[in-house]
Amino acid sequence: DAGVIQSPRHEVTEMGQEVTLRCKPISGHDYLFWYRQTMMRGLELLIYFNNNVPIDDSGMPEDRFSAKMPNASFSTLKIQPSEPRDSAVYFCASSSGRKAFFGQGTRLTVV
Amino acid sequence: DAKTTQPPSMDCAEGRAANLPCNHSTISGNEYVYWYRQIHSQGPQYIIHGLKNNETNEMASLIITEDRKSSTLILPHATLRDTAVYYCIVRASNTGNQFYFGTGTSLTVIP
Repeated sequence: DAGVIQSPRHEVTEMGQEVTLRCKPISGHDYLFWYRQTMMRGLELLIYFNNNVPIDDSGMPEDRFSAKMPNASFSTLKIQPSEPRDSAVYFCASSSGRKAFFGQGTRLTVV
Repeated sequence: DAKTTQPPSMDCAEGRAANLPCNHSTISGNEYVYWYRQIHSQGPQYIIHGLKNNETNEMASLIITEDRKSSTLILPHATLRDTAVYYCIVRASNTGNQFYFGTGTSLTVIP
């Protein structure tokens, strides 16, 4: 298996633009997580899904952030409109139980 | 929320054993201890986990005290590639599969 695949690896966008981050989990995994990492706040759990259903989105910072999982092999995290303080590395992870496997992350820079 | 306490940083000589401590004094009976590491902004990587018995795999050993209030991750022969931030996480398997990361220990392996 290729592991958790995230795209793009790097994204630079202007403030106010819409940004969409993508994630392909490991086949057969029924949990999917979105995390954000910054120097100030470390690794924060934003939202997670079980069997494509959002279970806990309490970590989503505000309404500008939304996440979807239309099927078992794809998820998106959207920021609209983006702001400079959204600059961070965004990680996707998937799990089938005990262990979670992380993607390589998307480094987002909002200028 | 992170329920663990780790030293912020440690050094270890190359080739020696690295012993990384973690306190989890409020751990519940159904909570596992997990260790992940993150190498230079890559996605976190699973190392090992355990409930109450000591565990060993090809990467490391996990020693959990009898009262389960603390544990130690042991890298038997540290190499320069083991330089990373190591996260100790306490997680219940029956209350959702999310992982909450604390601040971790930054381990530097010195040549």
